[in-house]
Amino acid sequence: DQQVKQNSPSLSVQEGRISILNCDYTNSMFDYFLWYKKYPAEGPTFLISISSIKDKNEDGRFTVFLNKSAKHLSLHIVPSQPGDSAVYFCAASTNTGNQFYFGTGTSLTVIP
Amino acid sequence: DVKVTQSSRYLVKRTGEKVFLECVQDMDHENMFWYRQDPGLGLRLIYFSYDVKMKEKGDIPEGYSVSREKKERFSLILESASTNQTSMYLCASSLGLKSFGYTFGSGTRLTVV
Repeated sequence: DQQVKQNSPSLSVQEGRISILNCDYTNSMFDYFLWYKKYPAEGPTFLISISSIKDKNEDGRFTVFLNKSAKHLSLHIVPSQPGDSAVYFCAASTNTGNQFYFGTGTSLTVIP
Repeated sequence: DVKVTQSSRYLVKRTGEKVFLECVQDMDHENMFWYRQDPGLGLRLIYFSYDVKMKEKGDIPEGYSVSREKKERFSLILESASTNQTSMYLCASSLGLKSFGYTFGSGTRLTVV
């Protein structure tokens, strides 16, 4: 059973506009969340994280929002740039768990 | 910067062959992981190891085994390769299981024919 879901396999956005990538999870015990970015032929690289004690974390153009009651998190990229075109994975873990559970990924294309 | 190196970028193997995928990390990380990435399924954990000679099954261990004889090296073994094991295999390492994310290798694209 997929505990972490990214329901949009792909997203296209104009350069300069906002990209919003969504992630839903089913396990209410998840308390730490990560976003990874993956270019073709490369491994995923860590982008930004958030713990369940926060509802927002910002790092430059990237902001992650967490809505615990809805079991939903989102990644906002503002402004979007062509170099942001990649596959984005969200991942979640519990406080006592020993692994991260990854979503299925969303392929973002930023159109110049 | 920690580096995770996977020995092969692309591999083509025949059904029934025994396949070894090698992964080496250079930052003395305790934990190492093997994932496979498939379209529509995301990253799924096969096995992980939190110490030398220690291993734990992930979500999809069937058809795979692992070996960790040295801290820096974590090998994934396909005992008898099958076509449904055609996939992208990703190795990762981390200082702690709940540390600041994993560092991934570039991946090995395995095709079983």
